[in-house]
Amino acid sequence: AQTVTQSQPEMSVQEAETVTLSCTYDTSESDYYLFWYKQPPSRQMILVIRQEAYKQQNATENRFSVNFQKAAKSFSLKISDSQLGDAAMYFCAYRNPLLQGAQKLVFGQGTRLTINP
Amino acid sequence: NAGVTQTPKFQVLKTGQSMTLQCAQDMNHEYMSWYRQDPGMGLRLIHYSVGAGITDQGEVPNGYNVSRSTTEDFPLRLLSAAPSQTSVYFCASKSTEDTEAFFGQGTRLTVV
Repeated sequence: AQTVTQSQPEMSVQEAETVTLSCTYDTSESDYYLFWYKQPPSRQMILVIRQEAYKQQNATENRFSVNFQKAAKSFSLKISDSQLGDAAMYFCAYRNPLLQGAQKLVFGQGTRLTINP
Repeated sequence: NAGVTQTPKFQVLKTGQSMTLQCAQDMNHEYMSWYRQDPGMGLRLIHYSVGAGITDQGEVPNGYNVSRSTTEDFPLRLLSAAPSQTSVYFCASKSTEDTEAFFGQGTRLTVV
């Protein structure tokens, strides 16, 4: 069974600084997707960034980028120039598109990110 | 564009009561699913559906029933609520083409 582990329950960073959130996963599959979701106090789950496992290039979305290490099964999220609005719970998630019920997402436990002004 | 709509947003139940959490999407998505979110455990899949008339169990299905009579709606039923079902519930939908799943805003359920 696939598992996703986020080893940092809480992180904090000064505004305008850079922070990296860690995620590791376990799978025997070679084709899959990885995601980072942001959950602010409103509870809404917001997709931050996605990575296809077959792509070697790391995904980037504005101030958000990932470091995808397929062999190490590691998928960290880097947030540059942190802003107060980045404060939220962040979830790493995995999906295998070849499985029956292919929309199943396996989530990590989450990392609560605090931005200090 | 409403996206995925969940009702109610908050609910308090007494142990043994039944209720239905509603989920509707207006994007004509084939896939719909229900997750529960508990502190320190992330989101876990309860049930999912790959199309109207087709449902299957996820990781934590016990105590919950689902049906999918239309593409738009995917209700989650609690037949006899238990305190262990106190959680935040999320409905999500996705098309076959999309990589991304779209989530509703969640229902906070408390069973006393």
